[in-house]
Amino acid sequence: AAGVIQSPRHLIKEKRETATLKCYPIPRHDTVYWYQQGPGQDPQFLISFYEKMQSDKGSIPDRFSAQQFSDYHSELNMSSLELGDSALYFCASSSGDEKLFFGSGTQLSVL
Amino acid sequence: SQQGEEDPQALSIQEGENATMNCSYKTSINNLQWYRQNSGRGLVHLILIRSNEREKHSGRLRVTLDTSKKSSSLLITASRAADTASYFCATDQGGSEKLVFGKGTKLTVNP
Repeated sequence: AAGVIQSPRHLIKEKRETATLKCYPIPRHDTVYWYQQGPGQDPQFLISFYEKMQSDKGSIPDRFSAQQFSDYHSELNMSSLELGDSALYFCASSSGDEKLFFGSGTQLSVL
Repeated sequence: SQQGEEDPQALSIQEGENATMNCSYKTSINNLQWYRQNSGRGLVHLILIRSNEREKHSGRLRVTLDTSKKSSSLLITASRAADTASYFCATDQGGSEKLVFGKGTKLTVNP
């Protein structure tokens, strides 16, 4: 069965650079969520989209933005990267039945 | 503040033993879910229990929910080395689509 696909798997950036993370949800899933997980931490909700519209917003810095496209894939854009942005970034999708399916994540390292 | 708090933070047991993890939360919920995460990987949904349910079983998993105490427990019976992972509880917030995760319990099952 198709799963949530995230790319890239690993990303290394310098401070003040920008990064774009991509997420391809499970087909026919209409909701996408982005989470950030620091080392040894719990996943923190960043933002979600339902049918290409932002549906909820969490602790997402103003330097980050995200969108969901017509094919339902989503991108998380991160600018002016800081050392503290180093984390595992997860995308999850759902079909509205409350259960989330997570991708394998993008490990972002900011040097 | 984080919705779910888990206890213990780390648990080490021998294969064949049972493992119990607890989760507390602060606000009203429609459902509570448990997820598993292998090191550096995506989260995998294990089980969902609704606010009007008190206990649910799935294979070797048993989940209880006490809404009066705002707490839940996850019991893994007859543990195996392959159960070694971090386990997180997650709650909606009374109808919100997003999930708020607890801090997780790191379970180590020694062969």
